[in-house]
Amino acid sequence: DAGVIQSPRHEVTEMGQEVTLRCKPISGHNSLFWYRQTMMRGLELLIYFNNNVPIDDSGMPEDRFSAKMPNASFSTLKIQPSEPRDSAVYFCASSSDRPDTDTQYFGPGTRLTVL
Amino acid sequence: SQQGEEDPQALSIQEGENATMNCSYKTSINNLQWYRQNSGRGLVHLILIRSNEREKHSGRLRVTLDTSKKSSSLLITASRAADTASYFCATITGGGNKLTFGTGTQLKVEL
Repeated sequence: DAGVIQSPRHEVTEMGQEVTLRCKPISGHNSLFWYRQTMMRGLELLIYFNNNVPIDDSGMPEDRFSAKMPNASFSTLKIQPSEPRDSAVYFCASSSDRPDTDTQYFGPGTRLTVL
Repeated sequence: SQQGEEDPQALSIQEGENATMNCSYKTSINNLQWYRQNSGRGLVHLILIRSNEREKHSGRLRVTLDTSKKSSSLLITASRAADTASYFCATITGGGNKLTFGTGTQLKVEL
């Protein structure tokens, strides 16, 4: 398996622009997670889906952030409009619901820079 | 807020030495996991220990869990330069599979 795939790997944009991050989870995994990592705040869970349904979005910073999972093999995280404080590395992770397998598998991340 | 707090924040050792990292958490857990992150990369799962387990081994890794003290430790024996990375503990509480990560320990293993 190719693992969790994220695109783009790097994104540089200007304040006010819309940014869309993409994630393809590992085939067969039921849960998908979006995280944000910064030096100041560490690794934060933004939202997670189970069977394509958002379960917990309490970590989404504000209305500028939205996430979708239209099917089991694709998810997007959108920021509109983007701000410099959104600059961070965004990780997607997936996991299986099988018993005794709580391990999450992380993608390589998208490094977002908002100028 | 972070569920887990790692200690120390940074650790520098010589190759061949053992490295010990500690994690404290606040609420009851189902399991505790350790992840490694190499610079600029995603996190990689290392080992999982369940709340009813006290110790677990995997290769050069040894994890202990003390639920009465709400703490865990990760021991890396005979460290190598390739072990240089950040190490995070993460916990699952209650139902579901939402992980809450700690603040991480930056380990540097020097030749």
